[in-house]
Amino acid sequence: DAGVIQSPRHEVTEMGQEVTLRCKPISGHDYLFWYRQTMMRGLELLIYFNNNVPIDDSGMPEDRFSAKMPNASFSTLKIQPSEPRDSAVYFCASSPGTSGQETQYFGPGTRLLVL
Amino acid sequence: KNQVEQSPQSLIILEGKNCTLQCNYTVSPFSNLRWYKQDTGRGPVSLTIMTFSENTKSNGRYTATLDADTKQSSLHITASQLSDSASYICVVSAGYGNNRLAFGKGNQVVVIP
Repeated sequence: DAGVIQSPRHEVTEMGQEVTLRCKPISGHDYLFWYRQTMMRGLELLIYFNNNVPIDDSGMPEDRFSAKMPNASFSTLKIQPSEPRDSAVYFCASSPGTSGQETQYFGPGTRLLVL
Repeated sequence: KNQVEQSPQSLIILEGKNCTLQCNYTVSPFSNLRWYKQDTGRGPVSLTIMTFSENTKSNGRYTATLDADTKQSSLHITASQLSDSASYICVVSAGYGNNRLAFGKGNQVVVIP
């Protein structure tokens, strides 16, 4: 298995532009997570899905952020409009369950810079 | 105040030496505690997962301990290698599921020859 795939790996955009980050989870994993990582705040869970359904989006910072999972093999995280404070590394992760024992497998991340 | 505090923030050690990283948490109720290793420019990789009833768990040269009474965990690296240079992140889960996760900011370890 290729693991969790994220694209693009790097994104540089100007303030106000729309940004779309993409993720392909590991086949067979029922859970998908979006995280954001910055030096100041560390890792933060933004939202997670179970069987393509959003379960908890309480970590999504504001209405400018939205996430979708149209099918079991694809998810997007969209920022519209983007702001410089959104600059961070965004990780997607997947796992086969959430009973507490399952490992989450992280993708390589998308490094976003908003100018 | 962060619910998960890690120390030291950064550490430089000589190749071949051992080191211990600390994680103190205030998360309650406690479900499980995870240690992740994150290489520069990569996503975190799970090292260990421990529940309330587990005191220690090993993964190769990495050994994690957990004291649920004092809410402390440690990650011990034995005979460090250059490839151990990374950030080590402690993550504590409160209750069932993943929607109540508290993240430490990581211990940055640099192993020098």
